[in-house]
Amino acid sequence: GNSVTQMEGPVTLSEEAFLTINCTYTATGYPSLFWYVQYPGEGLQLLLKATKADDKGSNKGFEATYRKETTSFHLEKGSVQVSDSAVYFCALNSGGSNYKLTFGKGTLLTVNP
Amino acid sequence: SQTIHQWPATLVQPVGSPLSLECTVEGTSNPNLYWYRQAAGRGLQLLFYSVGIGQISSEVPQNLSASRPQDRQFILSSKKLLLSDSGFYLCAWSVGGVRNQPQHFGDGTRLSIL
Repeated sequence: GNSVTQMEGPVTLSEEAFLTINCTYTATGYPSLFWYVQYPGEGLQLLLKATKADDKGSNKGFEATYRKETTSFHLEKGSVQVSDSAVYFCALNSGGSNYKLTFGKGTLLTVNP
Repeated sequence: SQTIHQWPATLVQPVGSPLSLECTVEGTSNPNLYWYRQAAGRGLQLLFYSVGIGQISSEVPQNLSASRPQDRQFILSSKKLLLSDSGFYLCAWSVGGVRNQPQHFGDGTRLSIL
């Protein structure tokens, strides 16, 4: 079956530091890959996505590249801000008949001023 | 544009009482609809999903049920709440009939059982 493994953290960084959150996956077929962000007390927001190998998703300074050879979709940002403090979820959709998402367990990021 | 509404935002209920959480989607037709629970910690558990009116698939046997009486309405219910039903409940939708689509989430309902 499908699975997503991401670093659980928590990750604590200083403002303007470089961020990497690792995500690897196992899936049948050709999944689409997503990163979601959840700010405290809120629902999940789609941060970025990639639908095929070598695609790079980007949004709000975050980016992730779909690496089929290493089955990875690591999230990166060059300079984090305090407002980036949140939980980040990696997820995949392998299509099929029901379109369910498989989520990682989430990574809590705290950015200190 | 599409929007998703969930209510109430917070709810405090006694053990043994009934539950009804409602979710509606606007701006799209025949969406796939989902209910998740996020318990203490961060993990997401898919409870139910629906690909059409009256079509409900249950992922985890439990004290809850779901219904889809209209195309863009998804309801989560319980006849008698348990303490273990406490958590953060999220509704989501995705484009129906199209592969590799993301899900879009509502703002959630924080449910506390006393």
